[in-house]
Amino acid sequence: DQQVKQNSPSLSVQEGRISILNCDYTNSMFDYFLWYKKYPAEGPTFLISISSIKDKNEDGRFTVFLNKSAKHLSLHIVPSQPGDSAVYFCAASARTGANNLFFGTGTRLTVIP
Amino acid sequence: DGGITQSPKYLFRKEGQNVTLSCEQNLNHDAMYWYRQDPGQGLRLIYYSQIVNDFQKGDIAEGYSVSREKKESFPLTVTSAQKNPTAFYLCASRQGRQETQYFGPGTRLLVL
Repeated sequence: DQQVKQNSPSLSVQEGRISILNCDYTNSMFDYFLWYKKYPAEGPTFLISISSIKDKNEDGRFTVFLNKSAKHLSLHIVPSQPGDSAVYFCAASARTGANNLFFGTGTRLTVIP
Repeated sequence: DGGITQSPKYLFRKEGQNVTLSCEQNLNHDAMYWYRQDPGQGLRLIYYSQIVNDFQKGDIAEGYSVSREKKESFPLTVTSAQKNPTAFYLCASRQGRQETQYFGPGTRLLVL
């Protein structure tokens, strides 16, 4: 059963506008969340993360929002740039136990120049 | 320059053959992981190792084997028991109790 879900397989956004990527999770034990960016035939690269004690974390053009009651997080990219075109994976972990990451299925973002 | 290397970039397997994918890291990370990615799917955990000489099965370990004889190395063997091995294989590592995993460039395995 998929514990981390990204229900939008793809998203297209105009350059300069905001990109919003969404992620839902089912396991209430998850307390740390990460976003990775992946280009074809390459390994994912870490983008930004958030702990469950926060509801927002910002790093330059990237902001992650966490809504624990809804078990939902989102990644905002503003302004979007063509180089942001990639597949974005959200991941979650429970810091007790093995501390493994559970990944969503990814959202392919295309930023149109 | 620290990082994770995976070799080869492409690997071809014949029917009934075992193949081994290499993963090396010079980040001095304690934990290492193997994932499999199929088209349209997320990353699924095959095996992980939190310390040398110890490893655990992930969600899809059947048909795979690993070893962790050195901290910097975590090779994955795809055995003939794995009936659908064609996929993109990713190795990752993590330091201590940090949550962030760092990934290698991946190996694409194809069946002849």
